[in-house]
Amino acid sequence: DQQVKQNSPSLSVQEGRISILNCDYTNSMFDYFLWYKKYPAEGPTFLISISSIKDKNEDGRFTVFLNKSAKHLSLHIVPSQPGDSAVYFCAATPEGNEKLTFGTGTRLTIIP
Amino acid sequence: GAGVSQTPSNKVTEKGKYVELRCDPISGHTALYWYRQSLGQGPEFLIYFQGTGAADDSGLPNDRFFAVRPEGSVSTLKIQRTERGDSAVYLCASSLLAGANVLTFGAGSRLTVL
Repeated sequence: DQQVKQNSPSLSVQEGRISILNCDYTNSMFDYFLWYKKYPAEGPTFLISISSIKDKNEDGRFTVFLNKSAKHLSLHIVPSQPGDSAVYFCAATPEGNEKLTFGTGTRLTIIP
Repeated sequence: GAGVSQTPSNKVTEKGKYVELRCDPISGHTALYWYRQSLGQGPEFLIYFQGTGAADDSGLPNDRFFAVRPEGSVSTLKIQRTERGDSAVYLCASSLLAGANVLTFGAGSRLTVL
């Protein structure tokens, strides 16, 4: 039972354009959401998070949007840069809980 | 060190053998986590330590898996009687406080069971 779903295993975007990565969840107890980025042979690194009391959080080129009624969140990267090429994982948890539930990841490739 | 350190980075073993994977968290981080990432999947929670004690081991798949953190710093994940299905990347993470949610991960230990 996949509680966090990333339905696009891969995505290719031209450099300078917007990258949009999507994530859906099923567990209504989740109220804190995170995006991690992973390069080959490295561990995932934290990118950005959002609490369910907000519907948007922005950090530089990265913005996460949360639609609680649809149980959907998305990560927008604009403008996309070649260094953004990586696997992106969506993760969710009840706030203050230690266990993160991850999606299966989306491999983003930025085309120069 | 500055980050979470995991050793070995790669381990190849035969079915039935015993393996130990080590994690050295960021100094001062009280919370330590083990996750497992199988091919094509996201990381899956195994166990979480707060200090020396295992606060939640509900993700350990069976009693062949065990983890310790005797002095509240370095942790060892132990797998007995390894099976081919145990092949995965084992990721360790730490955080300053429990429930902080933002984890700092190590590069992982890739285990291959032949």
